[in-house]
Amino acid sequence: DGGITQSPKYLFRKEGQNVTLSCEQNLNHDAMYWYRQDPGQGLRLIYYSQIVNDFQKGDIAEGYSVSREKKESFPLTVTSAQKNPTAFYLCASSINGGNYGYTFGSGTRLTVV
Amino acid sequence: AQTVTQSQPEMSVQEAETVTLSCTYDTSESDYYLFWYKQPPSRQMILVIRQEAYKQQNATENRFSVNFQKAAKSFSLKISDSQLGDAAMYFCAYPPGGGADGLTFGKGTHLIIQP
Repeated sequence: DGGITQSPKYLFRKEGQNVTLSCEQNLNHDAMYWYRQDPGQGLRLIYYSQIVNDFQKGDIAEGYSVSREKKESFPLTVTSAQKNPTAFYLCASSINGGNYGYTFGSGTRLTVV
Repeated sequence: AQTVTQSQPEMSVQEAETVTLSCTYDTSESDYYLFWYKQPPSRQMILVIRQEAYKQQNATENRFSVNFQKAAKSFSLKISDSQLGDAAMYFCAYPPGGGADGLTFGKGTHLIIQP
């Protein structure tokens, strides 16, 4: 079955460390997105990519980095510069600009310890 | 900037009753789409229903329907015959510029189903 796989489901990070969240899709979608979800805040866009080797900052990109070397993969790195990284992270993909909606992964819960 | 507003942080409904969740949005575009997503306790985001702004007819998917008022920029979700499995967070979403640059989400409504 086609879908989006996010791993790991739970991730713990020590302060000052970088950590990378994985997102893989086999839907042949061109566009991929990373969202952050905090209680009472809805979903906020971190980064997005419409094509391989190209990506753009979203509303809250500071402290994060991404790469898009393959169509299927869009990993997100949470750097030590991110002041409050504890959150739930969702990866999504879309076809044809997103007018048919986005398909989401099951998310990664990141906790700083 | 486009915004999406959900004014009800939490709603409660008796099982088998009908409930309506509100959403308003701000846009200067004339042709666009609108979405309602459901996020159950598993936290998987599930597309519930999609509305095309140029269509007069309100979208319907089984027990879920929308009341789309384009002039008022209102997009409410009606859930009929509520079931325990409908308990979840519900998010209204709008794709500025067609959605290639990301969906804008409301802050969500937590729906509680009373047995």
